Amino acid sequence: DAGVTQSPTHLIKTRGQHVTLRCSPISGHKSVSWYQQVLGQGPQFIFQYYEKEERGRGNFPDRFSARQFPNYSSELNVNALLLGDSALYLCASSLDYSSGNTIYFGEGSWLTVV
Amino acid sequence: TQLLEQSPQFLSIQEGENLTVYCNSSSVFSSLQWYRQEPGEGPVLLVTVVTGGEVKKLKRLTFQFGDARKDSSLHITAAQPGDTGLYLCAGVGGSQGNLIFGKGTKLSVKP
Repeated sequence: DAGVTQSPTHLIKTRGQHVTLRCSPISGHKSVSWYQQVLGQGPQFIFQYYEKEERGRGNFPDRFSARQFPNYSSELNVNALLLGDSALYLCASSLDYSSGNTIYFGEGSWLTVV
Repeated sequence: TQLLEQSPQFLSIQEGENLTVYCNSSSVFSSLQWYRQEPGEGPVLLVTVVTGGEVKKLKRLTFQFGDARKDSSLHITAAQPGDTGLYLCAGVGGSQGNLIFGKGTKLSVKP
């Protein structure tokens, strides 16, 4: 079975541009979460979606937005990119919204803002 | 705010040595997870501990959850170069049930 898949794996953007990152969860998983991992740090929670609704949001500015589609895949959008947005963006999926479920991570999308 | 403090931040040892990584918090977590992350890849789940005092073994790795469910440890016996990586602990916390991660312990095992 395929794990969590993310695209693109690497991308370079210029300050002020917009980026869209995509994620397909494990088959049967209905919850998708997004995390940002800056070099040398642990991942930081950005969003959680379940059944196409936002269920949680971390401490990130409104430039960050996301959505979940009927097939449970998800997009993370970041507007007006800043140099500090350079990071590994991780998508994670779980069966549902319950905190007792195991969360599985994709390999991430490396974003470099220049 | 729930925080997880990991120590040490960096660890460089020789093959065959033993080591312990600690994950501490002032908050209670319903469960704690340990992940290993290699450069350029996403975290890979090693184990989930749920019950206070629980001990789980995964080959040469031993994980323990504190009785009060505020801390955890990872002990590696006879470390091998293949154990090299970033070890992250994460607790399910907050009102949103998201994972809260420590900053990680970067382990380097030299042959």
